[in-house]
Amino acid sequence: EAQVTQNPRYLITVTGKKLTVTCSQNMNHEYMSWYRQDPGLGLRQIYYSMNVEVTDKGDVPEGYKVSRKEKRNFPLILESPSPNQTSLYFCASSPLIPRTGGSNQPQHFGDGTRLSIL
Amino acid sequence: GQQVMQIPQYQHVQEGEDFTTYCNSSTTLSNIQWYKQRPGGHPVFLIQLVKSGEVKKQKRLTFQFGEAKKNSSLHITATQTTDVGTYFCKPKLSFGAGTTVTVRA
Repeated sequence: EAQVTQNPRYLITVTGKKLTVTCSQNMNHEYMSWYRQDPGLGLRQIYYSMNVEVTDKGDVPEGYKVSRKEKRNFPLILESPSPNQTSLYFCASSPLIPRTGGSNQPQHFGDGTRLSIL
Repeated sequence: GQQVMQIPQYQHVQEGEDFTTYCNSSTTLSNIQWYKQRPGGHPVFLIQLVKSGEVKKQKRLTFQFGEAKKNSSLHITATQTTDVGTYFCKPKLSFGAGTTVTVRA
């Protein structure tokens, strides 16, 4: 079954304790992205990746890191989490059409990770 | 990112009525996608519009791309409780803030 898998689904942690949210897709998609969703603000893009070893900042990258060492995985790293990073996080993936400058293909989303930073 | 404004932010609809949600951009869009997120769920792709003036239908949902490719709309006829959720438009990398729809029976 084609899917995007995020782990963990829920996490409560404390300020300053490094954490990683994993994201894996089994569709051989080039494009992967992380979003955070906050009430009234919709989905805001944190980072995206167009292929292995290619990552770029989205609209709200501060306080986050990502890596793309393998095509299927795109972990989101919070080196020193703070309470303002409490949010619902989604990972998404899609195929990438060359020379379009971004993902114009439908995105497949994971089930989300709800993070609470105390 | 590319900025779009979705209006209204909230839509409370009587079951059986129609409503429309709008996605407006100050710049010309190459294409636009629409997604639906049910309460507690993740966004799910509905449709993509590419051509100026394009209209696509999915059962009771009608999607339209403006002639100038600066706006798009989603019209739902005869709203049902299954239409509850948040509808997002997405030009390229960024999503709009969404229209959250609730339905009263």
